[in-house]
Amino acid sequence: SQTIHQWPATLVQPVGSPLSLECTVEGTSNPNLYWYRQAAGRGLQLLFYSVGIGQISSEVPQNLSASRPQDRQFILSSKKLLLSDSGFYLCAWTRTVNTGELFFGEGSRLTVL
Amino acid sequence: GESVGLHLPTLSVQEGDNSIINCAYSNSASDYFIWYKQESGKGPQFIIDIRSNMDKRQGQRVTVLLNKTVKHLSLQIAATQPGDSAVYFCADFFGNEKLTFGTGTRLTIIP
Repeated sequence: SQTIHQWPATLVQPVGSPLSLECTVEGTSNPNLYWYRQAAGRGLQLLFYSVGIGQISSEVPQNLSASRPQDRQFILSSKKLLLSDSGFYLCAWTRTVNTGELFFGEGSRLTVL
Repeated sequence: GESVGLHLPTLSVQEGDNSIINCAYSNSASDYFIWYKQESGKGPQFIIDIRSNMDKRQGQRVTVLLNKTVKHLSLQIAATQPGDSAVYFCADFFGNEKLTFGTGTRLTIIP
């Protein structure tokens, strides 16, 4: 069966510090991978998605970046965090066939102070 | 560009009654929609989907209706239970790559 792991689950970081959130998927190959952010009490904002190794599509210009160094690994990074980067970050995957059924990780809650 | 939104941010329903959650979209080219449920502190979970060649699809206790003329879809939950309390999102899966979520409706079940 397929599983998705996302870490760390909780993170408190000072403004200006770097960020690295990691997501890995097991039990499937060549998935589409996604990073979403959810501010408190708000909807999900698509940040990045990837349809293959090294292929990253950015949806929102910001100080975040994403990388996909391996088929089932998706990393969200920042060189210098802003207060506005606080939120609940969700990684998700889906099969590359024609389906909108995404499978989400448990999320990483980031607080920037 | 495509966008998906919801009419109401909150909805309270008596336990056992039916719930109807509404969603509007703006992109006429959108042809595939999905409903997700998100419980507190967790990632969203897939509920049901519908493609534009259908106007109704049923699952277990849930029904999704799609009206392409007015660009509107709804999620109906029959006989709501306490476990149905969550935030519900409609989403537009565009171009077979990108899932765009609406703002969500928080459903509260009143005992």
